[in-house]
Amino acid sequence: EIVLTQSPDTLSLSPGERATLSCRASQSVGSNDLAWYQQKPGQAPRLLIFAASSRATGIPDRFSGSGSGTDFTLTISRLEPEDFAVYYCQQYGSSPITFGQGTRLDIK
Amino acid sequence: QGQLVQSGAEVKKPGSSVKVSCKASGGNFNSNAISWVRQAPGQGLEWMGGIIPFFGLTNYTQKFQGRVTITADRSTSTTYMELSRLKSDDTAIYYCCSGYDSNWLDPWGQGTLVIVSS
Repeated sequence: EIVLTQSPDTLSLSPGERATLSCRASQSVGSNDLAWYQQKPGQAPRLLIFAASSRATGIPDRFSGSGSGTDFTLTISRLEPEDFAVYYCQQYGSSPITFGQGTRLDIK
Repeated sequence: QGQLVQSGAEVKKPGSSVKVSCKASGGNFNSNAISWVRQAPGQGLEWMGGIIPFFGLTNYTQKFQGRVTITADRSTSTTYMELSRLKSDDTAIYYCCSGYDSNWLDPWGQGTLVIVSS
């Protein structure tokens, strides 16, 4: 199965700053079948990005995804207070689906 | 887009089984696939398996093979996940979500807390 490693484990930034989260796969993710999710405490994960760079319905354009092959990035251009949460990447190009371990985005 | 509503929290004894339900409303349930993902306390997300109700097709990850059964009742748009031979480390929140092992997962149910304790 494909192992996804996210970095950093924790990212401490201030509102208004730019956040860059990384997701590296142990082997190439077919067809760039990679998604990103946001999870806040006590809530279910919410889809942000699919197909590496396509925003899900209703997701603000400050969220963007990029990358291909084994290296993917989620960028939040200008952090809002509601963006501080845990972020997970997920690959669905190879069975079984696997998730990264998560990156916690904290307020500095 | 549909909404997924799950059954309530459960407390189970080690060695027993739990069956969690997930009812879909709206959307095209019969052509959708449903996956089950679990999250242990303070931990990350783990895909367990999924079902395509229209075809009755299931796929389980190897870790849970033989211990998990996912079924669907198309007449009520409800999917079920049954986990048997429960252990304390099965304590987790169990989520259903729309999607299969070749999809992104969206939307998600609200989650069902299962506590395994003697």
